[in-house]
Amino acid sequence: AQSVTQPDIHITVSEGASLELRCNYSYGATPYLFWYVQSPGQGLQLLLKYFSGDTLVQGIKGFEAEFKRSQSSFNLRKPSVHWSDAAEYFCAVGAGGNKLVFGAGTILRVKS
Amino acid sequence: DVKVTQSSRYLVKRTGEKVFLECVQDMDHENMFWYRQDPGLGLRLIYFSYDVKMKEKGDIPEGYSVSREKKERFSLILESASTNQTSMYLCASTTRQGAVRETQYFGPGTRLLVL
Repeated sequence: AQSVTQPDIHITVSEGASLELRCNYSYGATPYLFWYVQSPGQGLQLLLKYFSGDTLVQGIKGFEAEFKRSQSSFNLRKPSVHWSDAAEYFCAVGAGGNKLVFGAGTILRVKS
Repeated sequence: DVKVTQSSRYLVKRTGEKVFLECVQDMDHENMFWYRQDPGLGLRLIYFSYDVKMKEKGDIPEGYSVSREKKERFSLILESASTNQTSMYLCASTTRQGAVRETQYFGPGTRLLVL
């Protein structure tokens, strides 16, 4: 069965510093991978997604993610974090049909 | 812009009450989903629907039922609320065309407290 692991429950970075959020997945075939963000009091919003092709995917708000099949990873990165990036981030993998399996989430705190 | 709305942002109910959570989307999406979000567990799929009157169980359907009488509306029903159903409930919708590649659009969530 498909599964997603986000090893970091909380991460704190300084404003202006770089960010990397880790995601590892378990899936037999080529995965469909997603990163969603949930700002406080809001629903989830798609940041980016990967299906095939170029393994470095660009998303909204200056985020990017890199698919590494050998490591079963799809880590999210941003070169310079802004205070408004404080939120919870979810990695997800397509699970057949239209279903997604989500990781437990990583809460990002940004300190000024 | 796709809009997914949920009838309540906050609900407080008593144990044993029947609870209805409503979700409406305005993009003519075929697929609609109900998730439950708990700290440390992420989002877990309760039920989804791929057409009017069609539904499939997700990973944690016990204690829940759903109704989809119109394409734009998907209701989650707690037949007899229990304290372990205290949670955040998120509704989402997506078009069917690209299957799992399609973006899921989420509502703002309903935070339910069962006393």
